[in-house]
Amino acid sequence: DAGVIQSPRHEVTEMGQEVTLRCKPISGHNSLFWYRQTMMRGLELLIYFNNNVPIDDSGMPEDRFSAKMPNASFSTLKIQPSEPRDSAVYFCASSLIQGASNIQYFGAGTRLSVL
Amino acid sequence: AQSVTQLDSQVPVFEEAPVELRCNYSSSVSVYLFWYVQYPNQGLQLLLKYLSGSTLVKGINGFEAEFNKSQTSFHLRKPSVHISDTAEYFCAVVGANNLFFGTGTRLTVIP
Repeated sequence: DAGVIQSPRHEVTEMGQEVTLRCKPISGHNSLFWYRQTMMRGLELLIYFNNNVPIDDSGMPEDRFSAKMPNASFSTLKIQPSEPRDSAVYFCASSLIQGASNIQYFGAGTRLSVL
Repeated sequence: AQSVTQLDSQVPVFEEAPVELRCNYSSSVSVYLFWYVQYPNQGLQLLLKYLSGSTLVKGINGFEAEFNKSQTSFHLRKPSVHISDTAEYFCAVVGANNLFFGTGTRLTVIP
């Protein structure tokens, strides 16, 4: 398997623009996670899905952030409008949750810079 | 509630020296613990996991960790580090369908 695939790897945009980050989880996994990593705040869980259904979005910072998972093989994280403080590396991870096992496999991340 | 505490934000160590990265956990349910490694400009990779069984867990790249229930610890160790081990290391504990990550320890191996 190719692993978790994220696109784009790098995104530079101007404040106020819409940004869409994409993630393709590992085939057969039933859970998907979106994280944000910054120097100041470390690794933060934004939202996670189980069987394509959002389970916990309490980490989503504001209404400007939204995430969807229309099917088991694709998810998006959208920021509209973007702000400079959204600059961070965004990771997607997927997992096959069976019982207590929750080994998450991470993508390479999208480095977002909002000018 | 589940949480982990990584006591050291940065650990410098000379090449070929031993290293220990500390992790303490808090969990109100069964304990399942992980260590992840993040190399520069990459995502997190699973280093090792403890789900049950032997309390000494061996992972990739010569790392091992010991689950200590009485001390609620899951410290990561390597007897001799290499330059290539320079990275950020995250301890994590399983919650309800999720992982709770620590704040990370940056290991810097000095030649």
